[in-house]
Amino acid sequence: GAGVSQSPSNKVTEKGKDVELRCDPISGHTALYWYRQSLGQGLEFLIYFQGNSAPDKSGLPSDRFSAERTGGSVSTLTIQRTQQEDSAVYLCASSTALVSRGKNIQYFGAGTRLSVL
Amino acid sequence: GQNIDQPTEMTATEGAIVQINCTYQTSGFNGLFWYQQHAGEAPTFLSYNVLDGLEEKGRFSSFLSRSKGYSYLLLKELQMKDSASYLCAVRDSNYQLIWGAGTKLIIKP
Repeated sequence: GAGVSQSPSNKVTEKGKDVELRCDPISGHTALYWYRQSLGQGLEFLIYFQGNSAPDKSGLPSDRFSAERTGGSVSTLTIQRTQQEDSAVYLCASSTALVSRGKNIQYFGAGTRLSVL
Repeated sequence: GQNIDQPTEMTATEGAIVQINCTYQTSGFNGLFWYQQHAGEAPTFLSYNVLDGLEEKGRFSSFLSRSKGYSYLLLKELQMKDSASYLCAVRDSNYQLIWGAGTKLIIKP
C-alpha cells in the first residue's frame, strides 16, 4: 500500500480479554516497529523486526505482550489479559532498514486507540 | 537514564514565527528527528539533523548543537494547519529512537 495501515483504528475491550492489533507496513520495508503512545508521554518503544532476524523485544512491558511478523510483512501485536493501564494508542512504523547511516526515516500508521474498561 | 525535554504546549499567532526547543541526554547520538502529529493522525517526518547547524526546508528549519545537547524547530509564516504536536526524537548508540513527549502548538488567528 501507499502507507502504513493499522487496524482497527479503535478498540474497546473489557479488562481481562485478549486483543490483537494489526499493522501492514509499506511494501518493501524490511524494518517494522511497534510503539505505545500514552497521553503526556513520549512514544514508548515496544518491539522491532528486521528482515528474518530475531526481533528486538526489549521494550515489551510484560509477558502479556507479544508480536509476530508473518512472511516479513504484516505484523500482529497481541495483548493478553488486558489491564486498564494498557489503554493507549499503539503505533506501528516501518522503514527501509535498521540503520547504519543516514536518515532511515520511520513512516507511521495512524495507530490503534485501545480502551480497556 | 535517557531523557528528551521539550515544552508541553506553546501558543502562537497566525503569520508569526515560533521556535520549539528540545534538549536531550542520551547514550550516544546518531541523529535527531522532528515529527509533526495532528490529533488522531500518524506522526509524519519533518526534519533530520546529524551535524551541527541549521537545516532549512521551506517554512520549517531545524537546528542542532551536539555539544549542548540542544535542537530547535523553527516554523515561519505560521498557518492554522500548523496546529499540531511536534515530536523530537534522538537516535541513540543502539540506533533506537528515544522520544520526547511532544509540544502541542496552538495557532490563534
